[in-house]
Amino acid sequence: AQSVAQPEDQVNVAEGNPLTVKCTYSVSGNPYLFWYVQYPNRGLQFLLKYITGDNLVKGSYGFEAEFNKSQTSFHLKKPSALVSDSALYFCAVRAVEYGNKLVFGAGTILRVKS
Amino acid sequence: DAGVIQSPRHEVTEMGQEVTLRCKPISGHDYLFWYRQTMMRGLELLIYFNNNVPIDDSGMPEDRFSAKMPNASFSTLKIQPSEPRDSAVYFCASSFRQGGTDTQYFGPGTRLTVL
Repeated sequence: AQSVAQPEDQVNVAEGNPLTVKCTYSVSGNPYLFWYVQYPNRGLQFLLKYITGDNLVKGSYGFEAEFNKSQTSFHLKKPSALVSDSALYFCAVRAVEYGNKLVFGAGTILRVKS
Repeated sequence: DAGVIQSPRHEVTEMGQEVTLRCKPISGHDYLFWYRQTMMRGLELLIYFNNNVPIDDSGMPEDRFSAKMPNASFSTLKIQPSEPRDSAVYFCASSFRQGGTDTQYFGPGTRLTVL
């Protein structure tokens, strides 16, 4: 199984609607989970991370993510999408079994239409 | 802080030429990473350093690729000779690992085109 999977290549949502970008992981033990965003012609920008503690993590630009251990998921959410949220989103996992290196998902394109 | 700085931002070269990409990490960070991003393969880790020492270079595609970190504020990724299949965006990232919860901060990338 893939260490981290983003099942949707693209997510389309209308401005003002809630958005969800999905991520599932497949590692043993307790992973560290991250979300990054990449705008066109830019580097990856850190959004948020889960290390331990509260399963709901709040990050930059109003984004949040919920760690669900039973479903091995870490979906990215935002209550009200903005057109400016349109970008490429990467989920990443760091775990001992991968040498503590950051392993990225394939990425999901988010398109928010006005 | 200026963030991670990479140069050049764009590089166009001909097959067979040597290419050198440069990176200045965030001051105080003790880890430095080189990634390559392509449509086909996504984001791949090439090599990473800790305190200027290469730790894992298992992602380096072949002997044509080499990376150095002569000091805490500078790293290079060299491709010699370059080939068209090396065309990609190369990112440098740095982090400060504290308790294993480090966050990697990425530079803007170098878009390499090998003709």
